[in-house]
Amino acid sequence: DAGITQSPRHKVTETGTPVTLRCHQTENHRYMYWYRQDPGHGLRLIHYSYGVKDTDKGEVSDGYSVSRSKTEDFLLTLESATSSQTSVYFCAIRLDTNTGELFFGEGSRLTVL
Amino acid sequence: QQQVKQSPQSLIVQKGGISIINCAYENTAFDYFPWYQQFPGKGPALLIAIRPDVSEKKEGRFTISFNKSAKQFSLHIMDSQPGDSATYFCAASKGSNTGKLIFGQGTTLQVKP
Repeated sequence: DAGITQSPRHKVTETGTPVTLRCHQTENHRYMYWYRQDPGHGLRLIHYSYGVKDTDKGEVSDGYSVSRSKTEDFLLTLESATSSQTSVYFCAIRLDTNTGELFFGEGSRLTVL
Repeated sequence: QQQVKQSPQSLIVQKGGISIINCAYENTAFDYFPWYQQFPGKGPALLIAIRPDVSEKKEGRFTISFNKSAKQFSLHIMDSQPGDSATYFCAASKGSNTGKLIFGQGTTLQVKP
């Protein structure tokens, strides 16, 4: 079974501090994604990766960077957190390139004060 | 620009009734239309999906109806149960390369016993 571990699950930080969220998968899925979920907006894609060191921007990438140095890990970094980045962040993996199905982690709730 | 528009924002249905959630999309290049179900504190999970070469797909009590000419698709939940109470997201993607999903805004469904 596909498995995703997101860490931390909850974090409270202050404006201007850097924050890194980690997504770890237990299988060698090529595609990984970071989404944010906000009321009234659904889920919006921040960045995605299609392989080690291969990443691209999503629709709301400003203020975020990502890195993927290993197949199993996809990191999302907020260089200088702002209150507008308070959100729930979900990592996802693409289970099947034919069906397009994404499998989501349980989310990381970030609060920026 | 919201490429996938979902309605209603919230829905209350009596047990045994039919729940209907609608989505409209703009990009005719979209070729994969999934519905995700999300319970509080959990990540979204794939419920059912359709491709534009069929007009309807049924899995148990869940049915997707797809109208290509109108660029609309809907989720019907027959014999709704309190356990169906959750947030539902429609989504769409184009091509099989990146698997990027564009989500609707979400519908919170409450099924009253």
